[in-house]
Amino acid sequence: EDQVTQSPEALRLQEGESSSLNCSYTVSGLRGLFWYRQDPGKGPEFLFTLYSAGEEKEKERLKATLTKKESFLHITAPKPEDSATYLCAVQAVTGNQFYFGTGTSLTVIP
Amino acid sequence: NAGVTQTPKFQVLKTGQSMTLQCAQDMNHEYMSWYRQDPGMGLRLIHYSVGAGITDQGEVPNGYNVSRSTTEDFPLRLLSAAPSQTSVYFCASSYGPYSNQPQHFGDGTRLSIL
Repeated sequence: EDQVTQSPEALRLQEGESSSLNCSYTVSGLRGLFWYRQDPGKGPEFLFTLYSAGEEKEKERLKATLTKKESFLHITAPKPEDSATYLCAVQAVTGNQFYFGTGTSLTVIP
Repeated sequence: NAGVTQTPKFQVLKTGQSMTLQCAQDMNHEYMSWYRQDPGMGLRLIHYSVGAGITDQGEVPNGYNVSRSTTEDFPLRLLSAAPSQTSVYFCASSYGPYSNQPQHFGDGTRLSIL
């Protein structure tokens, strides 16, 4: 069964304090792993797609990495505006559905 | 760019009432889907469509109907609303289902069933 687990559920950081969010997945052949950011009252906003182990993508203070069993979203020197819920999703090669984790709620304190 | 548009943004229903949540996209995407988001449960797939005239069930389809008569529109119907259907509903679209491209989401419909 395809599954996605995210940890931690919640994370509080001081401004400038770097950290990482984890997304572990079990899927019968990975077509793609997707990271989203969700602000309160809004729909998820696409950040990155990763396709194969060893791949990395960067955008401003965010860097996503992928291994065969997990992905990390590294946040370097976060700012309060980075506060949001970060969602991870996977799509298997054998199907056409996307499976989402429950997200990590990030709060960055000034 | 409108992207994915959902209406209404908020709705309150009484138990037993029916209603339709609207979703439209202007990106010519083949793949469209409906999710519900509940605290601690993440996004759960209700129904999806891989193209006009083709729909299929997701993880939690009971109590919901969909149809896809055009590429642009994918409405979700609640047949007889129940309090357990109180949730935030998101519509998403992407290129063909096997394209490994990300989904784009609307801003949701917040639905309360009394």
